[in-house]
Amino acid sequence: AQTVTQSQPEMSVQEAETVTLSCTYDTSESDYYLFWYKQPPSRQMILVIRQEAYKQQNATENRFSVNFQKAAKSFSLKISDSQLGDAAMYFCAYRSYNTDKLIFGTGTRLQVFP
Amino acid sequence: DVKVTQSSRYLVKRTGEKVFLECVQDMDHENMFWYRQDPGLGLRLIYFSYDVKMKEKGDIPEGYSVSREKKERFSLILESASTNQTSMYLCASSSGALAEKTYEQYFGPGTRLTVT
Repeated sequence: AQTVTQSQPEMSVQEAETVTLSCTYDTSESDYYLFWYKQPPSRQMILVIRQEAYKQQNATENRFSVNFQKAAKSFSLKISDSQLGDAAMYFCAYRSYNTDKLIFGTGTRLQVFP
Repeated sequence: DVKVTQSSRYLVKRTGEKVFLECVQDMDHENMFWYRQDPGLGLRLIYFSYDVKMKEKGDIPEGYSVSREKKERFSLILESASTNQTSMYLCASSSGALAEKTYEQYFGPGTRLTVT
């Protein structure tokens, strides 16, 4: 069975600085998808970024980028130029190619200080 | 924009009560999901449905049942609420269309259920 591990329960960053959130996963599959979701204090979870395992190029969405290391089974999220609005719980999630179910990590709470 | 709505943001029930949590999505999505979110445990899948009247158990289905009579609505039922079911419940939906297989799940705002 696949598992997702987020080893940082909490992280903090100064406004305008860069922070990296870690995620590792375990799978024997070769085709899958990885996601980072953000859950702000208001609780509506939204997608930040996704990565298809077959793509070698790391995904980027504005200030958010990932470092996808398939061999190491690592999928970290880098937030550049951090803003106060980035403060939230961040969840890493895995999805097999042939299913619609997601497997989530335990989350990392990010605090952003002015 | 996809909208997933949940019937209540906060709910307080007594032990032994039957509890209904309702979820509605407006994007004609085939797939709908119920998760439970607890601190330090992340989100755990309770049940999901990939079509009307179809359901499949997730990782923690014990003590829960679901109903999907219409495509847009997915209900989570706690037959006899217990204190260990106090939690945040999140509903989500996603498209089952092959062309949209990489697309994400869209989440509702959550229902904070307290069982006393």
